[in-house]
Amino acid sequence: GAVVSQHPSWVICKSGTSVKIECRSLDFQATTMFWYRQFPKQSLMLMATSNEGSKATYEQGVEKDKFLINHASLTLSTLTVTSAHPEDSSFYICSASSWVPGGIQYFGAGTRLSVL
Amino acid sequence: RKEVEQDPGPFNVPEGATVAFNCTYSNSASQSFFWYRQDCRKEPKLLMSVYSSGNEDGRFTAQLNRASQYISLLIRDSKLSDSATYLCVVNKLEQAGTALIFGKGTTLSVSS
Repeated sequence: GAVVSQHPSWVICKSGTSVKIECRSLDFQATTMFWYRQFPKQSLMLMATSNEGSKATYEQGVEKDKFLINHASLTLSTLTVTSAHPEDSSFYICSASSWVPGGIQYFGAGTRLSVL
Repeated sequence: RKEVEQDPGPFNVPEGATVAFNCTYSNSASQSFFWYRQDCRKEPKLLMSVYSSGNEDGRFTAQLNRASQYISLLIRDSKLSDSATYLCVVNKLEQAGTALIFGKGTTLSVSS
């Protein structure tokens, strides 16, 4: 099946630093990638939708200047958490889909971010 | 009304039991429906898509009722390895390939 690679899987950083998370589709071209966030005991919440070569579409309440998304190629999207603070500590997961019937998405393994 | 609602459980069942999970969704225009499974501190993994006619995959049966905006998942002959959180998922817009809306999940614990 399709594989989506997400890196790093776990990061600890100091408050005020920026963290970049990469999401790669390994065996298919991902026209669209999605970034989700999951707090403990909560559901996955969509943060933004990223289409290759265009600006990301952010969900209401998600600061686009804080969560920078770049989708420069059909196999790579990055999420940069700028000036991270402890409240940004969460589980960040990307997913990717190509245009196939049924809309199946393939998820990365997630990145656990802890901001001290 | 929440976009996707599930009973959080937990459902505690013995091995071999049959268990059913239910889910309702609010967007009548949704076209794609799924059940995902998520293990603790892991990413969600697709369990099965849900079709209007109902579909079965081994011990798992999914049903969709568009009129009631209701989705179900039935697990027969539960195994210890079925212990996980089961997420009811619908697509955000009426198009395939769009973002997904996740329910909070229903926790299943299967014991010996």
